[in-house]
Amino acid sequence: EPEVTQTPSHQVTQMGQEVILRCVPISNHLYFYWYRQILGQKVEFLVSFYNNEISEKSEIFDDQFSVERPDGSNFTLKIRSTKLEDSAMYFCASSPLAGEHSNSYEQYFGPGTRLTVT
Amino acid sequence: AQKITQTQPGMFVQEKEAVTLDCTYDTSDQSYGLFWYKQPSSGEMIFLIYQGSYDEQNATEGRYSLNFQKARKSANLVISASQLGDSAMYFCAMSTNPGNTPLVFGKGTRLSVIA
Repeated sequence: EPEVTQTPSHQVTQMGQEVILRCVPISNHLYFYWYRQILGQKVEFLVSFYNNEISEKSEIFDDQFSVERPDGSNFTLKIRSTKLEDSAMYFCASSPLAGEHSNSYEQYFGPGTRLTVT
Repeated sequence: AQKITQTQPGMFVQEKEAVTLDCTYDTSDQSYGLFWYKQPSSGEMIFLIYQGSYDEQNATEGRYSLNFQKARKSANLVISASQLGDSAMYFCAMSTNPGNTPLVFGKGTRLSVIA
């Protein structure tokens, strides 16, 4: 069964450093998302991406964040200058075009990247 | 704006018993979808079940069923015949039309299954 993959599984970085989190969505999916989950808290939406551009972003997704789909398979989240409060689990998710099947709204999540900022 | 409320921070259930995890939602949209995800201690998010707002029948997937009461804006997850492997965090989430929009999650319920 196809799945979303994410690398690395765990990233430790120093405050102020740039990090890039990588995701490979399911190949025929068209919508891509990044979510984050601070330890012990709920999952929060960061940004969605469709047709090579950001379709929606939350208040959390400020100028420190950027997303890119550099080729036909990868989807990346960059944090330019990490802060302590960026420590969280970051989930990538993808979904197919709505209407293709009954669960067209289902988003398939990757296993997550645990980011630790020290 | 959409909102998901899960009022049970933690639940215990005896193995082989059924358990209901509560979820209420708030939205002004007429068309929306409701989801349940399981998050074991390893951290991944596992999709369990989906209910569309226009679906007349409650969704079922194996031991999972969704008790959808539209007038009450509730979408409770029922797990039948609980197993030790069901111990995890459970998140209720929703998204609205059109198409593929971000999920809004609740705070989750931690389920512990006791042998």
